[in-house]
Amino acid sequence: SQKIEQNSEALNIQEGKTATLTCNYTNYSPAYLQWYRQDPGRGPVFLLLIRENEKEKRKERLKVTFDTTLKQSLFHITASQPADSATYLCALSYSGGGADGLTFGKGTHLIIQP
Amino acid sequence: GAVVSQHPSRVICKSGTSVKIECRSLDFQATTMFWYRQFPKQSLMLMATSNEGSKATYEQGVEKDKFLINHASLTLSTLTVTSAHPEDSSFYICSASSPAATNEKLFFGSGTQLSVL
Repeated sequence: SQKIEQNSEALNIQEGKTATLTCNYTNYSPAYLQWYRQDPGRGPVFLLLIRENEKEKRKERLKVTFDTTLKQSLFHITASQPADSATYLCALSYSGGGADGLTFGKGTHLIIQP
Repeated sequence: GAVVSQHPSRVICKSGTSVKIECRSLDFQATTMFWYRQFPKQSLMLMATSNEGSKATYEQGVEKDKFLINHASLTLSTLTVTSAHPEDSSFYICSASSPAATNEKLFFGSGTQLSVL
């Protein structure tokens, strides 16, 4: 069965630095991969989507890469701020036909220290 | 962007009672909504897919008689936890995909923290 691995331990980054989060998966590559942000006691919020034929996607201070050879996606936040502190979830879709095929990782808790 | 509203945000109930959670898409029509369950520091686990006007599709291991789902309109899906027990205590989150967003990304409600005493 497919497995999604995200760093389970909290990631502490100094304000202003770039935070890099990792999402690894096993077996075959997904049709597309998404990143969500989740704050405590709240539902996740969509951030970025990258397709299997794309290598990189950017949105403001966020950047996502997708390496199907390494079976890995990296999520970067540049010029990090304390407000970026949250849990970041990666989600994979294998069906390619809609959100009903999404499988979520456990998430990585990011802490940006002032 | 599309907005999904979930209510209540928190509920405490006695063991054996039933609890209803509502999920509404406020500015778009959602033919499909999804119900997830999340334990602390765990991933979102899909419980069921709710289809407007038809029966919900449940994931393996989820009891359909315990978690009743009704999707009577294009903007409302409800999840009823029947005869709740302490082990049902969890964070329940609904979501929907929007045709305007090519149905690929999910818009989530704010979640419902259920505590069964």
